Amino acid sequence: AQSVTQLGSHVSVSEGALVLLRCNYSSSVPPYLFWYVQYPNQGLQLLLKYTSAATLVKGINGFEAEFKKSETSFHLTKPSAHMSDAAEYFCAVSSASGGSYIPTFGRGTSLIVHP
Amino acid sequence: SQTIHQWPATLVQPVGSPLSLECTVEGTSNPNLYWYRQAAGRGLQLLFYSVGIGQISSEVPQNLSASRPQDRQFILSSKKLLLSDSGFYLCAWSGSLGNTIYFGEGSWLTVV
Repeated sequence: AQSVTQLGSHVSVSEGALVLLRCNYSSSVPPYLFWYVQYPNQGLQLLLKYTSAATLVKGINGFEAEFKKSETSFHLTKPSAHMSDAAEYFCAVSSASGGSYIPTFGRGTSLIVHP
Repeated sequence: SQTIHQWPATLVQPVGSPLSLECTVEGTSNPNLYWYRQAAGRGLQLLFYSVGIGQISSEVPQNLSASRPQDRQFILSSKKLLLSDSGFYLCAWSGSLGNTIYFGEGSWLTVV
């Protein structure tokens, strides 16, 4: 069984401040981990993914995430927030289950960026 | 490169009317296909997934059904819509052995 917990349904930061979105997962086998971003009225876009290579993963738009097995975490960070980063962010975990990799998504975190 | 499209983008339907949302994938063969529903503040709910033509797995028993008449086509249907069917519906695909899924643009359904 696998699950994802995103801490905080809303995160508010000032423009230029550090962005930290938290994600903890549970998986009985080595997982694949993902972050997606969703802008209003659009589908989800893949930001980055961890697939058992480097534990620090760099994605698009300056985001990165670090896989920490001991903490079962995969937090998303960005050094300096832009107004355009305001969106909904989803963490997801997938692992081989019956030969398929159907992901489980967190409930999402809404990032609010203040001028 | 692979692309995914779904339509219509927006739909307003009366209670009891039928539904058909269509999704197609280009640039790949034998993809896994998925339908998700997103309700406000409730994350993503997997409705159906398919690993091949005519092979549909339902995750949540409900008023909806899915079909895969062709390799890269996935259709979400209902014979009679309920108010509770309103939401944002997302089609997605992954490679047959892939662990990463990619989403379409989404379809807004409002049942009135």
